[in-house]
Amino acid sequence: QVQLVDSGGGVVQPGRSLRLSCAASRFTFGIYGMHWVRQAPGKGLEWVAVIWYDGNKKYYADSVKGRFTISRDNSKDTLYLQMNGLRAEDTAVYYCARDRSSGCYGGFDHWGQGTLVTVSS
Amino acid sequence: EIVLTQSPGTLSLSPGERATLSCRASQSVSSSYLAWYQQTPGQAPRLLIYDTSTRATGIPDRFSGSGSGTDFTLTISRLEPEDFAVYYCQQYGNSPPLTFGGGTKVDIK
Repeated sequence: QVQLVDSGGGVVQPGRSLRLSCAASRFTFGIYGMHWVRQAPGKGLEWVAVIWYDGNKKYYADSVKGRFTISRDNSKDTLYLQMNGLRAEDTAVYYCARDRSSGCYGGFDHWGQGTLVTVSS
Repeated sequence: EIVLTQSPGTLSLSPGERATLSCRASQSVSSSYLAWYQQTPGQAPRLLIYDTSTRATGIPDRFSGSGSGTDFTLTISRLEPEDFAVYYCQQYGNSPPLTFGGGTKVDIK
């Protein structure tokens, strides 16, 4: 069945950068919109970013706009999140999620297992 | 940005009882593009309902969704032990940003 494997998390100092990856398998990656969603410890879900199936449209939450960049490589079936200028409030488990549509109009039917990012000095 | 408010924050019920969860939007949700997710501790969320009332693949029929405009409801007809979890609503019908509600925890009374 559909598989999404998140990786790249870790402990990083404030102001530094980190790149997350989400490896997709067992489905045609290049026809689906993909998202990043995060969850701070003990808190609810926060949508972070979306990228259209072909990479031509990208949208971000205000909280990360200008600092985070979502991208995808359909030849490698992989989604990325480049996170720059990290802040303590970015500490969270980050999940990739597949949209049911080619953009962001379907709901998220499959999720990765999550990768923990901790921003601390 | 559409703000989703879920109520109650916590619902304490016994197995076999009916659960009714509410999600209210600050403005009308376009095309009824509203989803519900279930999350158990340490796990990723799972899609239960999309487009307000359509059950996702493999979701049992004790879960149902309804509503329109700004008021939406998730109903669990008879709680099973595995249903005690946190539930989130999400809207995806308007232009990004997509938003989630704050969650309702269903715990065992």
